Amino acid sequence: QSALTQPASVSGSPGQSITISCTGTSSDIGGYNYVSWYQQYTGKAPKLMIYDVSRRPSGVSNRFSGSKSGNTASLTISGLQAADEADYYCSSYTSSTTWVFGGGTKLTVL
Amino acid sequence: EVQLVESGGGLVQPGGSLRLSCAASGFTFSSYWMHWVRQAPGQGLVWVSRISNDGNSTSYAGPVKGRFTISRDNAKNTLYLQMNSLRAEDTAVYYCARGAGGSYSLGYWGQGTLVTVSS
Repeated sequence: QSALTQPASVSGSPGQSITISCTGTSSDIGGYNYVSWYQQYTGKAPKLMIYDVSRRPSGVSNRFSGSKSGNTASLTISGLQAADEADYYCSSYTSSTTWVFGGGTKLTVL
Repeated sequence: EVQLVESGGGLVQPGGSLRLSCAASGFTFSSYWMHWVRQAPGQGLVWVSRISNDGNSTSYAGPVKGRFTISRDNAKNTLYLQMNSLRAEDTAVYYCARGAGGSYSLGYWGQGTLVTVSS
């Protein structure tokens, strides 16, 4: 199972919106509505931000939103804040009854 | 409060074995799937293995299949990962994570334990 494809880095200014893409195949993203997104600060454990493509866990800001079209999922962060600077990973359940992560995207807030 | 605390990491020689543990508290352990995810130094997250809530169903990533075994003791609220035939490329921080009930996401994560495979 190959890793999902994410851009290595994205950047934006405070207050702006950014979108991180995550591309897979029909065996993972395209086949299931089980895409999730995780935020990870350096040296810390990941935190679930989005699950089931577009659902937010309790306590996660509504500035974070998710979507999917075909084999590509997206995470959008609106009203960018300095605290959003972190690494972001997408993940999907797969037809092999396994899970796969993306390579990660480093978000820089300018 | 959900807590997951990993232990058992350390330095091991290539070809050696190690057993990781993850002590869970703050929730009904026997009701949730559990996962192991690893992260090599400076690299991304890689899913390793998953076990069903009753322990009867497991799945593994290709690179660890046949070498790693996931198990759980619901009476002790503890998750395990038995790692055999360890290789240098298994060097990573290993996280345990709780499945999010009703979803295929990983809702809570421990702080991780470092495994270093080196001679």
